[in-house]
Amino acid sequence: EAGVAQSPRYKIIEKRQSVAFWCNPISGHATLYWYQQILGQGPKLLIQFQNNGVVDDSQLPKDRFSAERLKGVDSTLKIQPAKLEDSAVYLCASSRGLAVNEQFFGPGTRLTVL
Amino acid sequence: SQQGEEDPQALSIQEGENATMNCSYKTSINNLQWYRQNSGRGLVHLILIRSNEREKHSGRLRVTLDTSKKSSSLLITASRAADTASYFCATDAKAAGNKLTFGGGTRVLVKP
Repeated sequence: EAGVAQSPRYKIIEKRQSVAFWCNPISGHATLYWYQQILGQGPKLLIQFQNNGVVDDSQLPKDRFSAERLKGVDSTLKIQPAKLEDSAVYLCASSRGLAVNEQFFGPGTRLTVL
Repeated sequence: SQQGEEDPQALSIQEGENATMNCSYKTSINNLQWYRQNSGRGLVHLILIRSNEREKHSGRLRVTLDTSKKSSSLLITASRAADTASYFCATDAKAAGNKLTFGGGTRVLVKP
């Protein structure tokens, strides 16, 4: 079974630029999550999708962050414009259902904002 | 604010020794999970313990949960160099909208 795929693995941008991350979850997993992990901290949930609907985006900075999962499979997370404090690893995860259980994480995208 | 807080923040042991780390949380939970993160890689699920369970085992891992103290511990027995990683506890609680909330992690170094 293929794992969660993410791209790119690394991205360096200057502040005020835009950036987008892509995630392909495990086949058949209805729930998809985006987390932000700042260096030295645990991951923080940004947004959770169930199929193509948003379940929880209470911690997503909506003035600059957006995410979509149009066909209920792949997802993109965008930051526009980026700030220095957005430097972090962005992790995508998926799970089978809506109930909290084992989540499968991708390798993450390390974003550096200069 | 983070629901779970791990203690210690960092741990250094010799190969073959046991490693114990603790997680404390603030509100009543449904479940508690432990994840491992190797340097530069994503998180890997280790074990899930439900609020009505007190102890679970998986290979060299032993997890305990004390809901009266709002705490959990992860014990790794007979540690190996490959166990070098950061370990995170994660809770889901009704008070937090049932989403998974991670602690700050314990960084474990196993020296050969």
